[in-house]
This record gives sequence, structure tokens and C-alpha cells, in this order.
Amino acid sequence: KQEVTQIPAALSVPEGENLVLNCSFTDSAIYNLQWFRQDPGKGLTSLLLIQSSQREQTSGRLNASLDKSSGRSTLYIAASQPGDSATYLCAVRVNTGNQFYFGTGTSLTVIP
Amino acid sequence: DGGITQSPKYLFRKEGQNVTLSCEQNLNHDAMYWYRQDPGQGLRLIYYSQIVNDFQKGDIAEGYSVSREKKESFPLTVTSAQKNPTAFYLCASSIAGQGLLFFGEGSRLTVL
Repeated sequence: KQEVTQIPAALSVPEGENLVLNCSFTDSAIYNLQWFRQDPGKGLTSLLLIQSSQREQTSGRLNASLDKSSGRSTLYIAASQPGDSATYLCAVRVNTGNQFYFGTGTSLTVIP
Repeated sequence: DGGITQSPKYLFRKEGQNVTLSCEQNLNHDAMYWYRQDPGQGLRLIYYSQIVNDFQKGDIAEGYSVSREKKESFPLTVTSAQKNPTAFYLCASSIAGQGLLFFGEGSRLTVL
């Protein structure tokens, strides 16, 4: 069974700093990987989707990379802002079936 | 606006009662999912459905039931057999065969 791990569980940085969030998965036979943001008490908002054939995706200050062979993805946030404070989750969709497997998330706090 | 609507947002239940959480989507998505989220844990799949009148158990289906009579609706019933139902419940949908997952705003169930 696919297992997804996110380290660190929590991260606190000063405003303006660039930062990297990590996501690891155990089975490289994935269809795609998706990064989400979750604000307290809210649902998940999709940030970036990387197909298995892609190496990276960019949206504004966000850049996500994917290395299937090593079972890793990173989410790079440039010039962090207090509004970026939230929990960030990654999810992988496996090749077989239509299921998604989620990490436990990284709780990010950006200090003004 | 297209999206996923979950209701109610907050729900209180006495022990021994069944409750039903509503999930409606107007995205014309084939696949729908129910996840449970507990503090410090990742999202865990309860049930999912890829087409009308068909659904599959996820990792933690015991004590829950679903129906899929219409494409746009996927209600979840939390039965009295669920031993620890207090949690945050999230409904999601996707186009079958594609990876982009969309979420509702969630329903928080508290057992008194």
C-alpha cells in the first residue's frame, strides 16, 4: 500500500524567506501528485498538479517538483507572506484504481 | 459557480443516533469520495464512487454507509455502529481517469 510522508510536521519562518516543503511516497508507480492548501476548519484547495511524466509545475510564487524514481516531491514557496500560513498536504494518485493517498501535512506559519 | 457543497457545516449527534452528511457537486464529475480527517492524521478514505449506483469501501468504511443515486449527490450516513465518529468529514470529486481532486468545505461532526 502506498504510504505518503511529509516532513517537517510544522515549520515557522520569518516573512520574506524562501522555503521548501517535502513529500515522500513509497511506491513510484504513481499517476500524478497534487499539492493542497488547507486553512483551519476548511476544505482543501488545490495548488498544483504534477503528472507522472512531468518534472515540475509552477504557479506564481509556488513551484512543485517531482522525482518519481526517488519517491519525492518538493513544494517551493518563494518570498513567503503571512497569508501563506496554512497546512500544506500532498496526495498521490496510484496507477491502479482511482484512489488518492494523502500525507499528514506540514503546518506552516509565516511570522510578520 | 461550480463546486462542491457540503451540509451541514456543524452537526451534533447523541450516541446511538444515525446522521447523514450531504455532498452535492455541480462539476459534472463522475467520481466522488468521502474522507475523514482527525487531528495529526492524514485524510483517510471512507467510501468512493466512480459511477452512479456503484461505490467501493475505502480503508475505514466500518460504521458508515453511502448511496449514489444521482451523479451529483453522494450522501454519507454515520451510523451508531461507528465507535468514534467525532471528526471532520470531507467530500471530494474528480473526473474519472483524471487526477485533479476538488474538495468541499467539510462537515464537523461532534458526538455528545
